[in-house]
Amino acid sequence: NAGVTQTPKFQVLKTGQSMTLQCAQDMNHEYMSWYRQDPGMGLRLIHYSVGAGITDQGEVPNGYNVSRSTTEDFPLRLLSAAPSQTSVYFCASSYAWRGPYEQYFGPGTRLTVT
Amino acid sequence: AQSVTQLGSHVSVSEGALVLLRCNYSSSVPPYLFWYVQYPNQGLQLLLKYTSAATLVKGINGFEAEFKKSETSFHLTKPSAHMSDAAEYFCAVSDFTGGGNKLTFGTGTQLKVEL
Repeated sequence: NAGVTQTPKFQVLKTGQSMTLQCAQDMNHEYMSWYRQDPGMGLRLIHYSVGAGITDQGEVPNGYNVSRSTTEDFPLRLLSAAPSQTSVYFCASSYAWRGPYEQYFGPGTRLTVT
Repeated sequence: AQSVTQLGSHVSVSEGALVLLRCNYSSSVPPYLFWYVQYPNQGLQLLLKYTSAATLVKGINGFEAEFKKSETSFHLTKPSAHMSDAAEYFCAVSDFTGGGNKLTFGTGTQLKVEL
């Protein structure tokens, strides 16, 4: 199993550009989520999904869009990049959305917006 | 809303010394609590979790944590630090309101281990 994979590892964008961060898992996990990590702020939830076709907002959803057409994939779209979106982005998945199941994290995407 | 407070953004210990990383939580319902570790340039990895089965929880790499409801704490300890323990540690609480296994993280504690 590859676990949770994320691409790209690094990305530099100009303000106003759009892009998609890819996330895939091969564990047939029901629950997937996106977090951003900023210094001194821990990780904050952007969006999450409890199954294919079902998504919802987390703590900091503005400027981001998600969809989940398959169990395996959960891409994160930046609609119009802003310098405030410079961050490290982590995708995570867990077996189910109910219960204290371990969340498995991908290696992260480091995004810089200039 | 649930929240987590980690006291001390940086902790430094000598190799072989006790490691104590502090975590206090706020929750309106019985919580699920987690400790995750992040090594440089990597994702997070689960160390241990509390799910109400036992108040003393043992995890990987010799770490353990004790859930104390009266103190709303879930401190992480290891009797003897090793150089390989140098990493950032995050305490998190699970929030099931509105559906979803959402985690609320603390701001993290960077552990430095010195010779």
